[in-house]
Amino acid sequence: DQQVKQNSPSLSVQEGRISILNCDYTNSMFDYFLWYKKYPAEGPTFLISISSIKDKNEDGRFTVFLNKSAKHLSLHIVPSQPGDSAVYFCAASAFKAAGNKLTFGGGTRVLVKP
Amino acid sequence: AAGVIQSPRHLIKEKRETATLKCYPIPRHDTVYWYQQGPGQDPQFLISFYEKMQSDKGSIPDRFSAQQFSDYHSELNMSSLELGDSALYFCASSKTSGGGKNIQYFGAGTRLSVL
Repeated sequence: DQQVKQNSPSLSVQEGRISILNCDYTNSMFDYFLWYKKYPAEGPTFLISISSIKDKNEDGRFTVFLNKSAKHLSLHIVPSQPGDSAVYFCAASAFKAAGNKLTFGGGTRVLVKP
Repeated sequence: AAGVIQSPRHLIKEKRETATLKCYPIPRHDTVYWYQQGPGQDPQFLISFYEKMQSDKGSIPDRFSAQQFSDYHSELNMSSLELGDSALYFCASSKTSGGGKNIQYFGAGTRLSVL
């Protein structure tokens, strides 16, 4: 039972255009959501996060939107750059006093074409 | 800035052997997490430690054990290795803060190959 799902395994976008990555979750206890970027043979790199009390968080070219009622979040990258080509993971956690494990989605491979 | 350090980066073992993976968290981070990523899969949570005490446990086989030491580094011990243990093992660390904000920073991982 996958609690975090990224239904698009891959995405191809032209340089300069917007990349939109989607993520759905089923566990209503999740209250903190993160996006990570991963290159081959490297660990996931933190990109941006959002708390369940917000519906939008922006950091430079990256914006994350959260729709709690739909249990859906999305990551917008604009403008997309060739260096953005990587696998993007959506992750979620439920609050504990300490040690909040992350539950990951399956990832979306993004290819930005020059 | 200092990142999470994992060693070794690559490890090759035979079936039924043991392996020890090490993780050095970012300074002043109090929580360490271990994840396993199989080929073509997303990372799966194994175990975590907060202030040297186990704080959560996921799908970690009984053959595996882990601990966090007084200097906050952590070791994942894997015994009776099986072919299916071949995977990338990531360690992450975080600094506990109020309000549930929990950004985990990952190391580069250890690639374990069991032959």
